[in-house]
Amino acid sequence: DAGVTQSPTHLIKTRGQQVTLRCSPKSGHDTVSWYQQALGQGPQFIFQYYEEEERQRGNFPDRFSGHQFPNYSSELNVNALLLGDSALYLCASTHPRRANYGYTFGSGTRLTVV
Amino acid sequence: AQSVTQLDSHVSVSEGTPVLLRCNYSSSYSPSLFWYVQHPNKGLQLLLKYTSAATLVKGINGFEAEFKKSETSFHLTKPSAHMSDAAEYFCVVSILTSGTYKYIFGTGTRLKVLA
Repeated sequence: DAGVTQSPTHLIKTRGQQVTLRCSPKSGHDTVSWYQQALGQGPQFIFQYYEEEERQRGNFPDRFSGHQFPNYSSELNVNALLLGDSALYLCASTHPRRANYGYTFGSGTRLTVV
Repeated sequence: AQSVTQLDSHVSVSEGTPVLLRCNYSSSYSPSLFWYVQHPNKGLQLLLKYTSAATLVKGINGFEAEFKKSETSFHLTKPSAHMSDAAEYFCVVSILTSGTYKYIFGTGTRLKVLA
């Protein structure tokens, strides 16, 4: 049973560029959340998607946007990259009625902005 | 507002000795609490969870945690540390807003296990 799959694993971008990160949720899960983990910090909630809609959003600027597809996979897009966007981006999935019983996390995408 | 505070940023123990990682929470209602572990360059793995059932929760790899409402604590323990336990540990509170749950993470505790 595949867990949460994220791609790519590593990425280097230049300031001002745009990036798209991808996530496939665990089989049977239809809710996807994205987190940003800066070096030495705990993960910070970016947003959550369910039924192809953004359901919740953390304290992140509009440069961060997302999408969920009918097969429940999701993308995170970041525009106008800043050096401070360098971080590990984690995707997590769950079933909405069991969300309080734990999310399954992917291994993350390490984004470096130079 | 709901939050968690991990009281130690770094903990060092010798192999075979007990582990104690401390977490205090703040919540206006009965919370759901989790401990996750993150090994270097890896994602987060769920160790255990408390969701208003038994207050003593047993998890994977010999870890357990006790929910103490009077102390607003959810400390993680293990009787005997193993070298493979060296990792970053996160205490997490789950909050319900807009009909869905999201996680609030603590700042993490880095566990070092000495041979």
